[in-house]
Amino acid sequence: EAQVTQNPRYLITVTGKKLTVTCSQNMNHEYMSWYRQDPGLGLRQIYYSMNVEVTDKGDVPEGYKVSRKEKRNFPLILESPSPNQTSLYFCASSAPSRAQYFGPGTRLLVL
Amino acid sequence: RKEVEQDPGPFNVPEGATVAFNCTYSNSASQSFFWYRQDCRKEPKLLMSVYSSGNEDGRFTAQLNRASQYISLLIRDSKLSDSATYLCVVLNAGNMLTFGGGTRLMVKP
Repeated sequence: EAQVTQNPRYLITVTGKKLTVTCSQNMNHEYMSWYRQDPGLGLRQIYYSMNVEVTDKGDVPEGYKVSRKEKRNFPLILESPSPNQTSLYFCASSAPSRAQYFGPGTRLLVL
Repeated sequence: RKEVEQDPGPFNVPEGATVAFNCTYSNSASQSFFWYRQDCRKEPKLLMSVYSSGNEDGRFTAQLNRASQYISLLIRDSKLSDSATYLCVVLNAGNMLTFGGGTRLMVKP
């Protein structure tokens, strides 16, 4: 089944404790992206990757890191999480210039 | 001005009604257009792409007006299961998706 998977789905952590949210897709898509969704602000792009070893900042990259060592994986790293990073996070992938397919989301609470 | 604007709603309609949503976008160079559906606390799911000639998928019809820079979605014979938030999405150069804030639809018995 073609899909985008994210782990963990839910996470509660404390300020400053490094965490990684994994994202994997099995559709051989070149393009992958991370978004956060907050009430009243909609979906905002954090980082994206056009292909392996090619990443770039989206609209709200501060406090986040990503890597793209393999085509299928695009982890999101929070080196020192803060409460303002409490949010719902979505990973997405697509072929170039095509609609994106989203993972099921990761709900993060930073205390 | 937001790059993609939608009326947030909610649109409250009875079952069987026809409802239409509009969306405007500001970037005249935008390349592709989509409607996504998002249920509460779930991921956005592609509903349909929007083509210049207009396109239909069952009860759903999408239209694009490049001259006026707006996109529409028409839902006929609304079902309770159509209740969701509908996101207007624009694809720009570099594969960048820009999302509207969403229009909430509530279909009532």
